[in-house]
Amino acid sequence: EAGVAQSPRYKIIEKRQSVAFWCNPISGHATLYWYQQILGQGPKLLIQFQNNGVVDDSQLPKDRFSAERLKGVDSTLKIQPAKLEDSAVYLCASSLGTDTQYFGPGTRLTVL
Amino acid sequence: QQPVQSPQAVILREGEDAVINCSSSKALYSVHWYRQKHGEAPVFLMILLKGGEQKGHDKISASFNEKKQQSSLYLTASQLSYSGTYFCGTETGGYQKVTFGTGTKLQVIP
Repeated sequence: EAGVAQSPRYKIIEKRQSVAFWCNPISGHATLYWYQQILGQGPKLLIQFQNNGVVDDSQLPKDRFSAERLKGVDSTLKIQPAKLEDSAVYLCASSLGTDTQYFGPGTRLTVL
Repeated sequence: QQPVQSPQAVILREGEDAVINCSSSKALYSVHWYRQKHGEAPVFLMILLKGGEQKGHDKISASFNEKKQQSSLYLTASQLSYSGTYFCGTETGGYQKVTFGTGTKLQVIP
């Protein structure tokens, strides 16, 4: 079974630039999560989708972050414009809607 | 509210045991445990549902005390491969929203 795919794996941008991350969950998984993990900290949930609907986006900085999951499959997370404090690993995870979350390899973002 | 883990870090020799604790200020529906190795994504270990159950596989087990809003992860006869950062994730409501803890860095040395 293929795992959660993410791209790119690494991205370096300057502050005020825009960036987008892509995630393809495990086939059949209805729930998709985007997390931000700052170095030395636990993953912080940014947004959770159930199929193509948003379940929770309470911690998403909506003035600069946006996410969509068209057709209920893959998803994109965008930051526009980026700030220095956005430097982190962005993790995508998916689940069948019950328990286990399967994480992708993550995208390491560096904002200069 | 982010769950609090203790200890923050621990160093073990191979074969020693360790306990990692996770405490929440809110009533818990479930507790998830993950291990993350440096530069890698978190990997699921186990989930415990409310009801005070205990789970385990191989030499890693966990307990969940619903009344105390706590969970503990037990690693026995530790191996080098156990090294990594352990996160608990707590679910306080529905929709499988998990809030991850502060993390416990575990290093097993020969």
